[in-house]
Amino acid sequence: GENVGLHLPTLSVQEGDNSIINCAYSNSASDYFIWYKQESGKGPQFIIDIRSNMDKRQGQRVTVLLNKTVKHLSLQIAATQPGDSAVYFCADPYNFNKFYFGSGTKLNVKP
Amino acid sequence: DTGVSQDPRHKITKRGQNVTFRCDPISEHNRLYWYRQTLGQGPEFLTYFQNEAQLEKSRLLSDRFSAERPKGSFSTLEIQRTEQGDSAMYLCASSLGGLRGTGGGANTEAFFGQGTRLTVV
Repeated sequence: GENVGLHLPTLSVQEGDNSIINCAYSNSASDYFIWYKQESGKGPQFIIDIRSNMDKRQGQRVTVLLNKTVKHLSLQIAATQPGDSAVYFCADPYNFNKFYFGSGTKLNVKP
Repeated sequence: DTGVSQDPRHKITKRGQNVTFRCDPISEHNRLYWYRQTLGQGPEFLTYFQNEAQLEKSRLLSDRFSAERPKGSFSTLEIQRTEQGDSAMYLCASSLGGLRGTGGGANTEAFFGQGTRLTVV
């Protein structure tokens, strides 16, 4: 079935730098996307969401950008901190009421 | 704690034994999801409930797996005759979904529990 997927499996950044994590989706009818953060041994935690009537949404140190033309979204983390080290997933709950996840991007923050 | 809770957090069982996991969702959430996650992979959808009705099951859910949500609140996931390949983290999530009886997609985020880590030896 159609789902979302991640471009890069691992991203290493220096503490204090900005991080950008990318995600592609295939269903042009998808209208709602969610970014989750999963730390080792824990369940995924909601970070931020965006609906298709927006192309940008900002939270605390995080920004999600949605490009519906190319079916791509990104998560930007400003001033990355060691506590940001985790696996990040984008999810699309549109299809069949399920939340599809890709394999995620592992973010390593180097001190 | 008003989040999603799962019990137990860890379970070690011998191959061939049956195991049962419990999930208590956020109380006002009508949708409940079960996922399985193996190391290095994202969560894989297993099944979901809208209130007490089990609306969809993944092909991953073999005949040895059964899930229930009898009163539309907590849910259980049972695995019979466990196999080593069943070793994984089992995640439960809940959300506010579409209207009862409709196929409307979820319109809010799903909140996840901490998962039950199953090890089959």
